[in-house]
Amino acid sequence: NAGVMQNPRHLVRRRGQEARLRCSPMKGHSHVYWYRQLPEEGLKFMVYLQKENIIDESGMPKERFSAEFPKEGPSILRIQQVVRGDSAAYFCASSPGLAQDEQFFGPGTRLTVL
Amino acid sequence: TQLLEQSPQFLSIQEGENLTVYCNSSSVFSSLQWYRQEPGEGPVLLVTVVTGGEVKKLKRLTFQFGDARKDSSLHITAAQPGDTGLYLCAGRPSDSNYQLIWGAGTKLIIKP
Repeated sequence: NAGVMQNPRHLVRRRGQEARLRCSPMKGHSHVYWYRQLPEEGLKFMVYLQKENIIDESGMPKERFSAEFPKEGPSILRIQQVVRGDSAAYFCASSPGLAQDEQFFGPGTRLTVL
Repeated sequence: TQLLEQSPQFLSIQEGENLTVYCNSSSVFSSLQWYRQEPGEGPVLLVTVVTGGEVKKLKRLTFQFGDARKDSSLHITAAQPGDTGLYLCAGRPSDSNYQLIWGAGTKLIIKP
């Protein structure tokens, strides 16, 4: 049973470009969470999604950031017009049906903005 | 704003020594989790504590949840180089069934 998959593992973008981060949850998991981690800091919650629904996006900047979890395919975290401050590790986690279940984390995507 | 403070931020000790890391808050959490994160990887859950005063043991690791459910500790006995990593605590606020508030982590290095 494969774990949470994220790709790419490393992504380099120039300022102003778009970044697309993908997350495939564990098989059978319908809840996806996105977190951001800066060096020497803990994880910061960004958004919580279920299939085709955004449940809580309170941790995500209102501009330039968007997330989706379509009926088919992976969850996507999209950052438009990236800036240097967007450089961070972005982690996706998934859980089974109940939101309070354990969250299983992917290996992360390390975004570097030049 | 709920915060979790971890201490120490960094700890480097010799193999065989004992150590304790702390996770403190002024807020009450319905549960608290400890994770270990290796470089370049995502966090992996070690334990969840739910009841005030609860103690859980995982081989040489002992986790304790404070009586008031505001703080927690992780004690490692006879540390080994394989224990090296970033240890993160994360608390679940009482008013949420999915949010996690994260500490900044304790970077632990065990020297052989």
